[in-house]
Amino acid sequence: GQQVMQIPQYQHVQEGEDFTTYCNSSTTLSNIQWYKQRPGGHPVFLIQLVKSGEVKKQKRLTFQFGEAKKNSSLHITATQTTDVGTYFCAVTMLKAAGNKLTFGGGTRVLVKP
Amino acid sequence: NAGVMQNPRHLVRRRGQEARLRCSPMKGHSHVYWYRQLPEEGLKFMVYLQKENIIDESGMPKERFSAEFPKEGPSILRIQQVVRGDSAAYFCASSLGLAGGADEQFFGPGTRLTVL
Repeated sequence: GQQVMQIPQYQHVQEGEDFTTYCNSSTTLSNIQWYKQRPGGHPVFLIQLVKSGEVKKQKRLTFQFGEAKKNSSLHITATQTTDVGTYFCAVTMLKAAGNKLTFGGGTRVLVKP
Repeated sequence: NAGVMQNPRHLVRRRGQEARLRCSPMKGHSHVYWYRQLPEEGLKFMVYLQKENIIDESGMPKERFSAEFPKEGPSILRIQQVVRGDSAAYFCASSLGLAGGADEQFFGPGTRLTVL
């Protein structure tokens, strides 16, 4: 079936360092969204990418949509303790009903001060 | 400007009892989604509803689980005869229902169900 894979599953980062998390789909996507969930909290929308090759930035976060619209990446620079949480990609498949989102398994980010 | 509301926030049930989880979407949102999340795992889609209609229930177990979103009132996720494996966090999300999948989902705080 259609799958959304996120790697790595866990990311231990030293405060101040950069890291990247990846989201890969087995099928072509209509669009991709990224969410962040703090420990004990609920997912919060970060951004949506729609166009092939699209790049969007939010302060220290850079989001990219692959040219083939099958993968995406989230790059965080100068990691801070406030970046702790789980980052999920969520995709809309081309043939999905309405606005159904399929979530990846998430990348759990731990920051070492 | 209230966000998505879920209640109860925590629910404890014994095996065999029924669990009813409620979700009030954001004002103006007509689309509701339910997800289940086990500890240290991702969000598993369960069901997608619009007012009085089930759009996609492909993630719902065939038995014991049902969902509704009536014309008036909150969306309800109902789990009959709960078992220990039903213990999880259940999140509701709502959206405007924009065409083409360009639809940010707003999540509620979740209901954490524990089955003893």
